[in-house]
Amino acid sequence: DVKVTQSSRYLVKRTGEKVFLECVQDMDHENMFWYRQDPGLGLRLIYFSYDVKMKEKGDIPEGYSVSREKKERFSLILESASTNQTSMYLCASSLVGNQETQYFGPGTRLLVL
Amino acid sequence: QQQVKQSPQSLIVQKGGISIINCAYENTAFDYFPWYQQFPGKGPALLIAIRPDVSEKKEGRFTISFNKSAKQFSLHIMDSQPGDSATYFCAASKNQGGKLIFGQGTELSVKP
Repeated sequence: DVKVTQSSRYLVKRTGEKVFLECVQDMDHENMFWYRQDPGLGLRLIYFSYDVKMKEKGDIPEGYSVSREKKERFSLILESASTNQTSMYLCASSLVGNQETQYFGPGTRLLVL
Repeated sequence: QQQVKQSPQSLIVQKGGISIINCAYENTAFDYFPWYQQFPGKGPALLIAIRPDVSEKKEGRFTISFNKSAKQFSLHIMDSQPGDSATYFCAASKNQGGKLIFGQGTELSVKP
């Protein structure tokens, strides 16, 4: 059974803190994605990685960075958390290709105070 | 800009009724249109998908209708059940290595 896991389900951080969200997939997928989900805005792509050490900006990369040192692990970093980064963060993975299914983790709900 | 527009934002349907969620897109280069279903506390999961060479795809109670000339596609849930209560996202992609552009989501509630 395919599995994408995220390091935390809930996280509370203070403004200005550095925040790490980790995602691990066990399907040997090449592609990995980070989205944020906000009511009325749907899922918006933050960053995308198609291979180890490769990354590509999505639609809303400002204030975020990513790291992919191993194929199975993709980290999202908030360099200096702000209140407008309070959101649900979803990680996904897929095989390489245009029409491959994306498999999502359960999400991390981040609250920045 | 929002490349995929989804409506309605929320929908309440009686058990046994038909749920209809609509999406419109702008970019004619899109060539793959999936729908994802998300239950509370879970990540989205692929429900059904269509390519633009067909006008309809049916899987059980779920049907996608696709209108290429109008640049619209919709999800129909026949005989809606309380277990269908979830958030539904339409999406679209073009040949960009697997990236999807999602709609805003529709929260469906099916009342018993």
